[in-house]
Amino acid sequence: QQQVRQSPQSLTVWEGETAILNCSYEDSTFDYFPWYRLFPGESPALLIAIRPVSNKKEDGRFTIFFNKREKKLSLHITDSQPGDSATYFCAAQTGANTGKLTFGHGTILRVHP
Amino acid sequence: AQTIHQWPVAEIKAVGSPLSLGCTIKGKSSPNLYWYWQATGGTLQQLFYSITVGQVESVVQLNLSASRPKDDQFILSTEKLLLSHSGFYLCACSDRTSGNTLYFGEGSRLIVV
Repeated sequence: QQQVRQSPQSLTVWEGETAILNCSYEDSTFDYFPWYRLFPGESPALLIAIRPVSNKKEDGRFTIFFNKREKKLSLHITDSQPGDSATYFCAAQTGANTGKLTFGHGTILRVHP
Repeated sequence: AQTIHQWPVAEIKAVGSPLSLGCTIKGKSSPNLYWYWQATGGTLQQLFYSITVGQVESVVQLNLSASRPKDDQFILSTEKLLLSHSGFYLCACSDRTSGNTLYFGEGSRLIVV
């Protein structure tokens, strides 16, 4: 059973548009939700993260919207740039500082100039 | 800042041959260490994690083993490779100062033929 699901599998937007990446989860004990970004040829790096005490987390052009009741969250990238083209992984974790992250399959984002 | 060095960068190995992948962390004291595996186009699957020297916990059974001979070293190995072992292997670390953030190495690409 896939604990963390992401959709769409791939997404193409034009430069300047808002890209919306979706994520849902099964385990209600998850209490930390990071998004990692993977550029081709590089290693994944933390982009932004949220805890269920908040329903929104913003960092520049990146915003996480979180719906605890529906066990869903989404990453919005406003004013998308070609340099945002990458694979975005939603992940979830129970407990602090365990690093036992469960990752989704990722969404491949392509931003056309 | 920590640095995570993985070796080898890439390998092509025959089915049934042994494998050893290494990971060395510099700049962190007593880190938590993790091995992740990504099949082509797949999600990041946690394989092992270790919170201290000599202690390794298996998360997924893939006919692989891991050891932590030193505080800053994590080794992934098997005596007999399978075709299904092909993929991208990532070493990661975290510690109390980084909270839940995982820092990934640059990975080792393995092709089993």
